[in-house]
Amino acid sequence: AQSVTQLGSHVSVSEGALVLLRCNYSSSVPPYLFWYVQYPNQGLQLLLKYTTGATLVKGINGFEAEFKKSETSFHLTKPSAHMSDAAEYFCAVSARPGTGGYQKVTFGTGTKLQVIP
Amino acid sequence: DTEVTQTPKHLVMGMTNKKSLKCEQHMGHRAMYWYKQKAKKPPELMFVYSYEKLSINESVPSRFSPECPNSSLLNLHLHALQPEDSALYLCASSQDLQGAYNEQFFGPGTRLTVL
Repeated sequence: AQSVTQLGSHVSVSEGALVLLRCNYSSSVPPYLFWYVQYPNQGLQLLLKYTTGATLVKGINGFEAEFKKSETSFHLTKPSAHMSDAAEYFCAVSARPGTGGYQKVTFGTGTKLQVIP
Repeated sequence: DTEVTQTPKHLVMGMTNKKSLKCEQHMGHRAMYWYKQKAKKPPELMFVYSYEKLSINESVPSRFSPECPNSSLLNLHLHALQPEDSALYLCASSQDLQGAYNEQFFGPGTRLTVL
């Protein structure tokens, strides 16, 4: 079984400030972790993913996330927020291939990021 | 081409209508998915196709009927829907179900309103 908890359904930051979106996961097997972004009335776009190897993952648009196994966390950060970053962000977890069956992707409930000029 | 396309973008239908949603990808992916997303909620998995065969049905009511005519195309046939079925319907694809990264590529969705 796997689950994702995103702390904070809404986060507001000033333009140029640090963005920190929190994600904690639960998984009985080694996880694959994802961050997706959804702009209004659009589908989801993959920002970054952790599969194996380096625990600090860099994605598109200046975002990065760090996999911390001991804390079961995969928080998303960006040093300086842009107005264009305003969107809904979803953390998601899946299981690594080979652990049997379809590797369902479980999404968190989302965090809406507001960027204040 | 890393795009998943969906048509129509918007659809309004009555409870007695029959309509279809269409999804297409040309990335050579062999797994395709339908999700339903209500406002301010995460996507909920409905169906999964793998190599054109239905692999997963997440206990979706029979008024939703998926079809995968070929490896590039996925349809969702709608009949006798209820107002609570109004939502954004997202299509996604991935390399396959056991792909090394299980990354899913999403289309822009069809905004469905049932009157």
